[in-house]
Amino acid sequence: DAKTTQPTSMDCAEGRAANLPCNHSTISGNEYVYWYRQIHSQGPQYIIHGLKNNETNEMASLIITEDRKSSTLILPHATLRDTAVYYCIVRASAGGTSYGKLTFGQGTILTVHP
Amino acid sequence: NAGVTQTPKFRILKIGQSMTLQCAQDMNHNYMYWYRQDPGMGLKLIYYSVGAGITDKGEVPNGYNVSRSTTEDFPLRLELAAPSQTSVYFCASLGGSGNTIYFGEGSWLTVV
Repeated sequence: DAKTTQPTSMDCAEGRAANLPCNHSTISGNEYVYWYRQIHSQGPQYIIHGLKNNETNEMASLIITEDRKSSTLILPHATLRDTAVYYCIVRASAGGTSYGKLTFGQGTILTVHP
Repeated sequence: NAGVTQTPKFRILKIGQSMTLQCAQDMNHNYMYWYRQDPGMGLKLIYYSVGAGITDKGEVPNGYNVSRSTTEDFPLRLELAAPSQTSVYFCASLGGSGNTIYFGEGSWLTVV
């Protein structure tokens, strides 16, 4: 299953866009990229996911590079409530030795400040 | 839909005791997962299942067992509790037209 690499921490000013990068250079052609966040000890919260194309929903946008080796999660107008740990994960492809396996990395601690 | 339901929410165990953390989902998802999260750390995969009757080890399976006799339920068994198993446990399922991952609210376990 593909591994992901994220910066340990990032800062963002309230009201500005937060751009969180993720490297997944060993991703396979049919593996999805998921983004989740976790606030304190709550269960992780789904943000967005994608395969090839860029995606947008009410929470965020996901930009996936053409070679699919990296992606960026964009929170367009960060608020203090967006302070959380953000996880980029890749879902193992069907039929592989780790079929269905879903592994979280260490994530990025995003701090939004006034 | 209730989503993913975990019980109990809180439990204190003595060293050497056994217990089962229950996880149920009503979304007919094939994929289910158990994670543990130690204080200040990320989620580590314990076991996962791609369907009824099929389970596989994750990153940290030692000291745990699972079974998947039905699509709905995925219980996690601790046979001989140890202090190192003090953690928050999250169950999750994946499925639906959006391939979304749904998490339970977590089970806080303390072994003393």
